[in-house]
Formats: sequence, C-alpha cells, structure tokens
Amino acid sequence: NAGVMQNPRHLVRRRGQEARLRCSPMKGHSHVYWYRQLPEEGLKFMVYLQKENIIDESGMPKERFSAEFPKEGPSILRIQQVVRGDSAAYFCASSPTGASSYEQYFGPGTRLTVT
Amino acid sequence: AQKITQTQPGMFVQEKEAVTLDCTYDTSDPSYGLFWYKQPSSGEMIFLIYQGSYDQQNATEGRYSLNFQKARKSANLVISASQLGDSAMYFCAMRANSGTYKYIFGTGTRLKVLA
Repeated sequence: NAGVMQNPRHLVRRRGQEARLRCSPMKGHSHVYWYRQLPEEGLKFMVYLQKENIIDESGMPKERFSAEFPKEGPSILRIQQVVRGDSAAYFCASSPTGASSYEQYFGPGTRLTVT
Repeated sequence: AQKITQTQPGMFVQEKEAVTLDCTYDTSDPSYGLFWYKQPSSGEMIFLIYQGSYDQQNATEGRYSLNFQKARKSANLVISASQLGDSAMYFCAMRANSGTYKYIFGTGTRLKVLA
C-alpha cells in the first residue's frame, strides 16, 4: 500500500508565477490536510478537505491561496502570484476517516523556493 | 485555543544515553490526542508515538515512551539508548477529538546525538 504521494518534491518559481502542489492520499483515504512549514518552524495547519468539499480553511491566507480535492485525482494546493515569503515546505497528510482516526499519514512534502 | 509549547530549541545527548524532550500543551477540550514526530534532515515527518487523553497508561513504542502527566498538561518524549540516527528535529503535536481534527504543532527540538 503506497504512502501519501506529493509532487513535485522540489519546486522553484519566480515571483509572480503560480505554484501548483499535488497530493495523492493513501488508498482508501478520503480526508486530506495541508500544512506549511516555514524554515526553522513547526508545521502550521492550512486547510482540511474531503472529496469535493473544503471543511476547514481557517489556516489559509485570504488571498492567492486555494485548495481543492476533486472527486477524481489528487488534491491540489494552488498559490497564485507567489512571493518570497511563500518559500516553505508544504506537507499534505491523509486519514481514512478524519473523524475517528487518530493518526494522519504525512507525505514527503514539497519544498517551494520563490526566487 | 489550543497550544503546544516546546521550550528546548536544541538538545545534546551522548550515544546510548536516555534523553527527555519536553512538551506542554493547553486545551479546553476534554478529549484529545498527543503525538510525537521525528523530522530528519531529509525532511519527511515520521510518526513516533501517540497518547490519548483518556489512556491510563503511558504510551511506549520500542525505544520511545511518552511521559504523560495530564494534570500538569505535559507529554514529554523519552528516547532510551540513543543512537546516532536519532539526530533530528522532534515535534510534539496535539489534536482535539472534535471539530476538524487538525493538528497543532510545537516549534520543535533539535536533538544531536554525540558519538
């Protein structure tokens, strides 16, 4: 059973470009969480999605950031018009039920560098 | 509001010795989970151990044990017989068993095991 997959693992964007980060949850998991880790800091919650629904986006910046988890395909975290402050590691985690599973399974992360 | 505090930015331990990494938490939820993750230099998040707020006994997983003191709101990680491969960042995290189940992470402790 493959783990949580994230791609790309490393992404370099110039200021003003768009960044698309993909997350494929573990097989059978329908709940996805996105976290951001700034250098030398802990992970910060961004958004929680179930298939075709955003459940909690309280950690998402109000502008430029969006997330989706379509019925088919991976979850996408999209950052428009990136700025240097967006440089960070972005982790996705999945869980089988969300409500009762105590453990989230983390992907390897995407390291975004904005030049 | 929930909060995790890790007051040790860095720790050193001699190989084969035991080490305790501190974690205190704050929550008003009666039911919650506490987690420890290891993040090596390669960047992935590795789940180590879980403690439920209603668990009567301290959790143990191999060389890892969680010293859970509910009244003091602390959840310290104890690593016994340290190995060079234990050198990494260690994050304490908490999840309320209600709402959206998002994780709240501490700022981490960087552990260096000395030969």
